[in-house]
Amino acid sequence: GNSVTQMEGPVTLSEEAFLTINCTYTATGYPSLFWYVQYPGEGLQLLLKATKADDKGSNKGFEATYRKETTSFHLEKGSVQVSDSAVYFCALPGGSGGSNYKLTFGKGTLLTVNP
Amino acid sequence: ETGVTQTPRHLVMGMTNKKSLKCEQHLGHNAMYWYKQSAKKPLELMFVYSLEERVENNSVPSRFSPECPNSSHLFLHLHTLQPEDSALYLCASSQDSSQGEEGSPLHFGNGTRLTVT
Repeated sequence: GNSVTQMEGPVTLSEEAFLTINCTYTATGYPSLFWYVQYPGEGLQLLLKATKADDKGSNKGFEATYRKETTSFHLEKGSVQVSDSAVYFCALPGGSGGSNYKLTFGKGTLLTVNP
Repeated sequence: ETGVTQTPRHLVMGMTNKKSLKCEQHLGHNAMYWYKQSAKKPLELMFVYSLEERVENNSVPSRFSPECPNSSHLFLHLHTLQPEDSALYLCASSQDSSQGEEGSPLHFGNGTRLTVT
């Protein structure tokens, strides 16, 4: 089945710093790739996605590029804000057991941004 | 407004109690999910319903009993829980495609924070 390995945190940055959270995947074929974000006290919400190789997903200043050569989908932001403090999850469809609609999530990376 | 509403937001129950968690989605999706999120552990998929039929049950203890009366509502009935069942329980929905195609991304509720005493 498909799987994802995500950089473990926690990550602590100062405001306006550059952010990278690494994610690599193992998959059959080329499934869509996702980043979800979980703000304190809330559920997960979709941050961005890419549906095919070389696609770049972007939202709220975050970007991630689907790279099949390195099987990676790293999350980046050029200048983080305090409001970006959250847990970030990398995900892809088709976990072990073969369910195509089921997402497999990484372990999550806690980001804390200090003013 | 997330489109997926979970109640209650917080629940404290003793080990001998019976309680239920409720989830409602207003997105017209045809699949609903229960996830368990514990501190320092990956998200655990518990149950999946597609078109109101349970299609996945990931070795969840029988003290958790799901119910999906229609495509908009999902319940998780709880009885004789253990302290280690304390966690955030997340409901999600998606539009499930057939023929092996990918469905839509998951949409999550804000969760029910469960504490078992």
